[in-house]
Amino acid sequence: DAGITQSPRHKVTETGTPVTLRCHQTENHRYMYWYRQDPGHGLRLIHYSYGVKDTDKGEVSDGYSVSRSKTEDFLLTLESATSSQTSVYFCAISEAGGGYEQYFGPGTRLTVT
Amino acid sequence: QKEVEQNSGPLSVPEGAIASLNCTYSDRGSQSFFWYRQYSGKSPELIMFIYSNGDKEDGRFTAQLNKASQYVSLLIRDSQPSDSATYLCAVNAGGTSYGKLTFGQGTILTVHP
Repeated sequence: DAGITQSPRHKVTETGTPVTLRCHQTENHRYMYWYRQDPGHGLRLIHYSYGVKDTDKGEVSDGYSVSRSKTEDFLLTLESATSSQTSVYFCAISEAGGGYEQYFGPGTRLTVT
Repeated sequence: QKEVEQNSGPLSVPEGAIASLNCTYSDRGSQSFFWYRQYSGKSPELIMFIYSNGDKEDGRFTAQLNKASQYVSLLIRDSQPSDSATYLCAVNAGGTSYGKLTFGQGTILTVHP
């Protein structure tokens, strides 16, 4: 987890409230990713970024938005949280895209009640 | 058909034995292959990556890739109780500039003393 932090690490929120998760890196890597991990579904890509202000959707992007105003920060926002968004969220970084390896942050456990 | 499939497990081996973890993938254009280890409640940790057919060794770990058979495996020699974890296979399909990884469901490995 060196060089990648996520905040908060745990959060409980109510259905319908907005939630923002933060990923911060000190590696100056260009690519950043948000995944969610759920039993039976494994790790699934939500959104990714290939540079400041450059973002795109992954396979499970509905209900989520992202922003990247600085190289080191990548924010994930749940616009109106639902119980189906209860999950563990991981941020990952990569020096370059393509086939380069990705390194994961410590994760955020989000519970939507 | 799942894009990345791993042997379902759980896999139990005695200490000192060789643990063999297997993964098949459906996209014949896949270029890069990764093995992550994930301890319970922790984030995925990269342990091996392989790009070319054949074997790649790193300490007690050997990754094997056979692109013709669309098969990648991870061998852990002299297994230790500390190797007990979930092992995730991840594949990067060719032609994606942002490095989208598709993960398998994971195989739970238990090494018993």
